Parts: sequence; structure tokens; C-alpha cells
Amino acid sequence: AQSVTQLGSHVSVSEGALVLLRCNYSSSVPPYLFWYVQYPNQGLQLLLKYTTGATLVKGINGFEAEFKKSETSFHLTKPSAHMSDAAEYFCAVTLNTGGFKTIFGAGTRLFVKA
Amino acid sequence: GAVVSQHPSRVICKSGTSVKIECRSLDFQATTMFWYRQFPKQSLMLMATSNEGSKATYEQGVEKDKFLINHASLTLSTLTVTSAHPEDSSFYICSATEPGTGGYGYTFGSGTRLTVV
Repeated sequence: AQSVTQLGSHVSVSEGALVLLRCNYSSSVPPYLFWYVQYPNQGLQLLLKYTTGATLVKGINGFEAEFKKSETSFHLTKPSAHMSDAAEYFCAVTLNTGGFKTIFGAGTRLFVKA
Repeated sequence: GAVVSQHPSRVICKSGTSVKIECRSLDFQATTMFWYRQFPKQSLMLMATSNEGSKATYEQGVEKDKFLINHASLTLSTLTVTSAHPEDSSFYICSATEPGTGGYGYTFGSGTRLTVV
């Protein structure tokens, strides 16, 4: 069965520190992988995506993620956290099984300390 | 880029009344839109897939008579919560994608906070 696991429901980092949000997936077909960010009382905004090609993808706001097929992972990183990065982050997998179906992870709330 | 507008952003209604939420794709035609429900501090739960010109496809456990979905045009889908009760209070989010691009990510509306009193 397809699934998405985000390790850590909460992650806290200091401002300027490395951000690492973990995502592992399970899929029987080649997945499309996404990271979305959600600010309080708002919808989701696409941060970055992997579909094909280069496995290291860069997104908005300085975030990037690397698709590692052997590890079935798609971890999100940012070299230096800003206070404005505090939000909820969702990893998602879209599978094309005759139609597109998206599965979301449970989310990771990022706290940034001054 | 693609923009999805959702309205209203917040609504408070009395128990037993119905509430309609609109989801519009502003600069593209969306043959398919998705409706999600999000409980506090939880992930998104797909409620239904809205298909233009046909009946919506509901996920298991979602009452189709309670959550009425209409996708009458290529740019508008509506979710009507009928006979709302306090347990229907939640954050509802729609998303859409241009035809054939479902594998390239969705554009989400800004969400609707429904409070039933």
C-alpha cells in the first residue's frame, strides 16, 4: 500500500540553523513527490516538487529536497532557518495509477527560535 | 501561475442550517477539483473529487448527502454542508489542477474555517 511518513510531528530549530524535515514514502509505482507549506488558517502552498530528472530539486524560500530512490526518501532542507519559516510542512506523494491520486503525510510543524 | 480562490474564508452558522463554500480556478480551467477537510493539527483528509459535468466521487466514510458537491463549470466547484452540526466544524480546503497536470502538483485555495454553533 502507498503511504507517506513524516518523521517528527514537531521540529524546533534556532534561527540560522539547518532545517531538516524528513519524509519517507512507500509506492509500487514511480512517485511524484511534493513538499507543501501551510501557514495558520491558510491553504497549502507548493514549495517544491520532484517528477523526473535531477534528484535534487530547489524550491521557493531557499528550500530544497533530494529524492533518494534507494532510501525511498524525500527530505526537505534549508541551510539557514528564518523566523518566517515557522509553519506546518506537508510531504505528499502523487501516484499515476490510471488517474492521479495524492497522499499527504501527517505534517511536521516547524518552530524557529530566536 | 495558477490561482485558486476559495470563499468565504470564515463562516459561522447555526446548527441545522446549510453552508455553501465556493472554489474557483481564476486563470485556468479545472476539470477536476478536490475537497479536503483538515482537523486541528492534523493532515488533510480527502473528502471527494469533483468532476466537471458529472457526479463527485466521495471517499469512503464521507456522507454524500451531507456534503453536496457541484462542479457546474470548468472554473467553479461548490461544497454545501447541509444541516450542519457542531461536529462539522473544521477547516475545508479545495484544490485544483489543470487538465493532465495532476502529477505536477496542485494549487490550493486559502481554505474556509467553518464554525457551527
